Amino acid sequence: AQTVTQSQPEMSVQEAETVTLSCTYDTSESDYYLFWYKQPPSRQMILVIRQEAYKQQNATENRFSVNFQKAAKSFSLKISDSQLGDAAMYFCAYRSKGAQKLVFGQGTRLTINP
Amino acid sequence: DGGITQSPKYLFRKEGQNVTLSCEQNLNHDAMYWYRQDPGQGLRLIYYSQIVNDFQKGDIAEGYSVSREKKESFPLTVTSAQKNPTAFYLCASSPHPTSGATGQETQYFGPGTRLLVL
Repeated sequence: AQTVTQSQPEMSVQEAETVTLSCTYDTSESDYYLFWYKQPPSRQMILVIRQEAYKQQNATENRFSVNFQKAAKSFSLKISDSQLGDAAMYFCAYRSKGAQKLVFGQGTRLTINP
Repeated sequence: DGGITQSPKYLFRKEGQNVTLSCEQNLNHDAMYWYRQDPGQGLRLIYYSQIVNDFQKGDIAEGYSVSREKKESFPLTVTSAQKNPTAFYLCASSPHPTSGATGQETQYFGPGTRLLVL
């Protein structure tokens, strides 16, 4: 079974600075998808960014980018120019191609210091 | 506006009572999902449905039931057999995973329902 591990329960960063959240996963499959979701205090899960395993190029969405290392099974999220609105729980998730289930990590709580 | 709605936002359950959580989507998505989130944890899959009148158990289906009579709707019933129902429940939807649609692999979430036991 696939597992997702987020080793940082909490992180903090100064406003306008850059922070990187870590995620590792375990799978024997070669084709899959990886996601980062944000859960603000409202608790709705919001998609931040997604990566397809067959693509070598790292995904980017404005201030958010990933460092996808397939051989190392690592999928970190970099947030540049951190803003107060970025404060939230961040979850890394894995989905096998053709499968239904998202496998989530335990989450990292990100605090932005003004 | 396209999206996923869940109701109610808060729900209280008495001992031995069944309660039903509503989930509706107007995204024309084929697949729908129910997840449970406990404090300080990630989400775990309860049930999912790829098409109308068909659904499958997820990892923690015991004590729950679902139906899928319409494409837009996927209600979840928390039965009295679920001994620890207090949690946050999230509904999600996605295009069919083999539809070829852009973003077919991505699940989009509703705002959630907080279930508390009296």
